[in-house]
Amino acid sequence: QSALTQPASVSGSLGEPITISCTGTSGDVGGYNYLSWYQSHPGKAPNLIIFDVTKRPSGVSNRFSGSKSGNTASLTISGLQAEDEADYYCCTYAGNSIWLFGGGTKVTVL
Amino acid sequence: QVQLVQSGAEVKKPGASVTVSCKASGYSFTGHYIHWVRQAPGRGLEWMGWIDPNSGNTDSAQKFQDWVTLTRDTSRSTTYMELTNLGSDDTAFYFCARILRGSSGFDIWGQGTLVTVSS
Repeated sequence: QSALTQPASVSGSLGEPITISCTGTSGDVGGYNYLSWYQSHPGKAPNLIIFDVTKRPSGVSNRFSGSKSGNTASLTISGLQAEDEADYYCCTYAGNSIWLFGGGTKVTVL
Repeated sequence: QVQLVQSGAEVKKPGASVTVSCKASGYSFTGHYIHWVRQAPGRGLEWMGWIDPNSGNTDSAQKFQDWVTLTRDTSRSTTYMELTNLGSDDTAFYFCARILRGSSGFDIWGQGTLVTVSS
């Protein structure tokens, strides 16, 4: 199975919102609400920021929010901060006990 | 403190095998599946497979099915990931991660183990 499709990079100015998309198929993103988002720095363990499409773990800033429409999920960061500069990955259950990650999006704060 | 602690970095020659361990503490070991994810240098996250520490049942991505073995030792609260017939493109950080029960989030991650394959 192919990785989910994410834009390679997204940039935004301090304080502005950005949205990262994650596109799959009806057999993965569109078929299940088991979709999560991770913030990652190279060589370090990723950090869970959204799970089950829209839920936020305790301790994660409410500037992060998730949504889904059809085969595309989205992560929105409102009020971009310098510390948000990182790589972001979506991950979904794809049926038959299989999980898929997106290709990752590098977020740059201008 | 809930945590997963992985074994240290490894350097292996092409064709060799490697086993990475992931020790759980601070929670019920058999209560959460453990997944394995890798990240090659400059590349994205790649899901490899999972193990149910309670039953020992496993599953993995198709590309890994013939050369990844996932096992667990409940007496040590530890899961193991063995990769055989290593190639240079297996050089990567390997992570174990706990998944929330009945949910989609990998909420606790190991610190990562760098496996370098080089002749």
